[in-house]
Amino acid sequence: AQSVAQPEDQVNVAEGNPLTVKCTYSVSGNPYLFWYVQYPNRGLQFLLKYITGDNLVKGSYGFEAEFNKSQTSFHLKKPSALVSDSALYFCAVRPPWGQNFVFGPGTRLSVLP
Amino acid sequence: DAGVIQSPRHEVTEMGQEVTLRCKPISGHDYLFWYRQTMMRGLELLIYFNNNVPIDDSGMPEDRFSAKMPNASFSTLKIQPSEPRDSAVYFCASTAGTGFYNEQFFGPGTRLTVL
Repeated sequence: AQSVAQPEDQVNVAEGNPLTVKCTYSVSGNPYLFWYVQYPNRGLQFLLKYITGDNLVKGSYGFEAEFNKSQTSFHLKKPSALVSDSALYFCAVRPPWGQNFVFGPGTRLSVLP
Repeated sequence: DAGVIQSPRHEVTEMGQEVTLRCKPISGHDYLFWYRQTMMRGLELLIYFNNNVPIDDSGMPEDRFSAKMPNASFSTLKIQPSEPRDSAVYFCASTAGTGFYNEQFFGPGTRLTVL
């Protein structure tokens, strides 16, 4: 069975500093990996995805993520955090054979001015 | 495109009452998902449909929950009778199944409070 772990419930970073939100996964085969963001009282919004190819994926709002197959990780990164990046971030994995997404528990990012 | 539409946005009801949540997926999307989000359990997949047919309902918590998709543009999630532990935010999402790597598009959610 597939699973997703986000080891940090909360990440705090100062505005202008780089940020990393961690994600590790477990799935058979080559997974499809996704990051979503949720702002207060809103639905989840797609940020980026890894399907195949280059391990560094660039997405919306300046975010990027690095796929590491040997470490089964897909960490979300941004070179310079903004206060407006403060939100709940979800990593999700989808096996290549099905439509069923599995979401991680979420990591709350707080960017402090 | 209006995106995924959910109604109502907020619902407050009393224990034992029937609750119906509604969803309109993005036009052309052939997969529809219902999720529940709580602080304790995070985001849980309840059920999903493909071409209006339920494919996996293993996440539906119990028989009090039922979901239907009578046509490609409408789905309902019904709770009867409702209980306080059903209080949560319920999300509907849709995607086009032409590519297995397509992301899901989420609606704004329905915040359900059962008193």
